[in-house]
Amino acid sequence: SAVISQKPSRDICQRGTSLTIQCQVDSQVTMMFWYRQQPGQSLTLIATANQGSEATYESGFVIDKFPISRPNLTFSTLTVSNMSPEDSSIYLCSVKGGTLSPDTQYFGPGTRLTVL
Amino acid sequence: GESVGLHLPTLSVQEGDNSIINCAYSNSASDYFIWYKQESGKGPQFIIDIRSNMDKRQGQRVTVLLNKTVKHLSLQIAATQPGDSAVYFCAEFSGGSNYKLTFGKGTLLTVNP
Repeated sequence: SAVISQKPSRDICQRGTSLTIQCQVDSQVTMMFWYRQQPGQSLTLIATANQGSEATYESGFVIDKFPISRPNLTFSTLTVSNMSPEDSSIYLCSVKGGTLSPDTQYFGPGTRLTVL
Repeated sequence: GESVGLHLPTLSVQEGDNSIINCAYSNSASDYFIWYKQESGKGPQFIIDIRSNMDKRQGQRVTVLLNKTVKHLSLQIAATQPGDSAVYFCAEFSGGSNYKLTFGKGTLLTVNP
């Protein structure tokens, strides 16, 4: 399976600031996704990161709040902008379409964000 | 809208017993299902998947059963170990041009020594 790393692993931020989370995969993948997991909850898809074009956002998520980049097939970033305490969550990078297991979707370790 | 849900939010078993975690789905068009295990402080880990043209699939100590008639999915863990303690999520994919996994609420499995 693809090895996925995220930076930072956790952070504590002040409201009104922004945080950029990085996702790096050890092999090329077709699809990359960003999820949010609020405390004690299930996973909610924020957006699909598209290489070389704008991300595809799910209902309730907008580009101004969660800008996403995907410059190549192994790297993506998610920015959480103008943070408020309600943004405190785990943010997860996920990938699909690797050469070894093209149909399976894998997750990174997550970034634990606390907004004060 | 379409959703994936779980019958039991928590499950407590004795070490060595078999565990069964259930999941109901409402989208009859779903054709691919995945079970994930999420340990505390970690990201979800792929356990096993199954396609709609199958009704059973086995892995190491795990079996997934799919009943399309009643839209029900289950994960069976044999000889449950303390290391199996985690939250288990089922997820479904219903096809279409926009690939998207929909996740259930999750079941917390606690294994008592």
